[in-house]
Amino acid sequence: EDKVVQSPLSLVVHEGDTVTLNCSYEVTNFRSLLWYKQEKKAPTFLFMLTSSGIEKKSGRLSSILDKKELFSILNITATQTGDSAIYLCAVEANRDDKIIFGKGTRLHILP
Amino acid sequence: KAGVTQTPRYLIKTRGQQVTLSCSPISGHRSVSWYQQTPGQGLQFLFEYFSETQRNKGNFPGRFSGRQFSNSRSEMNVSTLELGDSALYLCASSLENRIEQYFGPGTRLTVT
Repeated sequence: EDKVVQSPLSLVVHEGDTVTLNCSYEVTNFRSLLWYKQEKKAPTFLFMLTSSGIEKKSGRLSSILDKKELFSILNITATQTGDSAIYLCAVEANRDDKIIFGKGTRLHILP
Repeated sequence: KAGVTQTPRYLIKTRGQQVTLSCSPISGHRSVSWYQQTPGQGLQFLFEYFSETQRNKGNFPGRFSGRQFSNSRSEMNVSTLELGDSALYLCASSLENRIEQYFGPGTRLTVT
């Protein structure tokens, strides 16, 4: 059965710390891996990764994919209280064109 | 550019009733996907519509159905509601496929 597993489930750090969120997957016919940030209600798109080893960056956030070991990490450097959110990882598959989400990592940044 | 809008934002129904939720995508977006989010199961894919056709479907029973209109607006219907259908229902739109989806604020459905 296809699955996406995120770790840790929750994380509390102080402002200024660097965090690494993990996403591992077992999905047949992998197409892409997506990261989202969910604050109040709606997830907002962060990154889409399709190729191994190519880092995507957006400000203090970066992400990379390892298709051999079947995982991705999302790094946030110099964290701020505004980074507090649930971070969702999702994998799209070519077969059936389906998308599977992980349960998310709840990140809380202390001032 | 206006974002994805969903109506209603909150809904309370009783078991056995049916409900219709509405989603208006970002102008120019032709793909609309629906998701169910619950604390226990997380975010789960329901179905995707593109150009008025259901393009693919998740693992939900037939009580969950949807449609898309020529203006790309989409509706989702749940018949014979069960307590377990209580959830946040999110819709997301994108230009052609699910790359860079933009989510709406969601409809919080409570079934009593």
